[in-house]
Amino acid sequence: NAGVTQTPKFQVLKTGQSMTLQCAQDMNHEYMSWYRQDPGMGLRLIHYSVGAGITDQGEVPNGYNVSRSTTEDFPLRLLSAAPSQTSVYFCASSYEGVAGELFFGEGSRLTVL
Amino acid sequence: GENVEQHPSTLSVQEGDSAVIKCTYSDSASNYFPWYKQELGKGPQLIIDIRSNVGEKKDQRIAVTLNKTAKHFSLHITETQPEDSAVYFCAARPSGGYQKVTFGTGTKLQVIP
Repeated sequence: NAGVTQTPKFQVLKTGQSMTLQCAQDMNHEYMSWYRQDPGMGLRLIHYSVGAGITDQGEVPNGYNVSRSTTEDFPLRLLSAAPSQTSVYFCASSYEGVAGELFFGEGSRLTVL
Repeated sequence: GENVEQHPSTLSVQEGDSAVIKCTYSDSASNYFPWYKQELGKGPQLIIDIRSNVGEKKDQRIAVTLNKTAKHFSLHITETQPEDSAVYFCAARPSGGYQKVTFGTGTKLQVIP
């Protein structure tokens, strides 16, 4: 059982380049989300989805796009990378309902030069 | 929106001693308070959680207490071991919006052998 899988684990971009961080889960979770982790700032919610075809913004959505065409996949797109987007990105999923436990991937470290 | 403050940001204890991490939250509608442990190079993992109808919950060496009146909750680790060394995050989730979990800024715990 793979859980939540993120790719790539490491990526270096130049300012203005675009890229997609991939996230896939095999637990049939309805809810999926993206967080960024920066020193001293904890985990901040970027975008989330409560099911296929449904997405919404979190706390820090600017500069990022998402889509949810299937239950399993929730890619995060950076259209024009900026140095402020240098961070570690985590994808997380959970069951809908009161359980609430988030299952995280192992993270993707992105550096924008 | 919800604001979660977490203290201390770093904590060093001798092996066998106890460690306490404290969090406060702002939204009186929050009713679910999980704690996550993040080991180096990994994603966060749920270690214990508490709901607003409970004042204390224990799981072996880990306990969490909640004071809804004062809007604060704490993580207690007894008989600390080197494998407890990690970053710990508290979080809060308001009722009706299970997916919008707000995290604290994290506590780096170091257990010295």
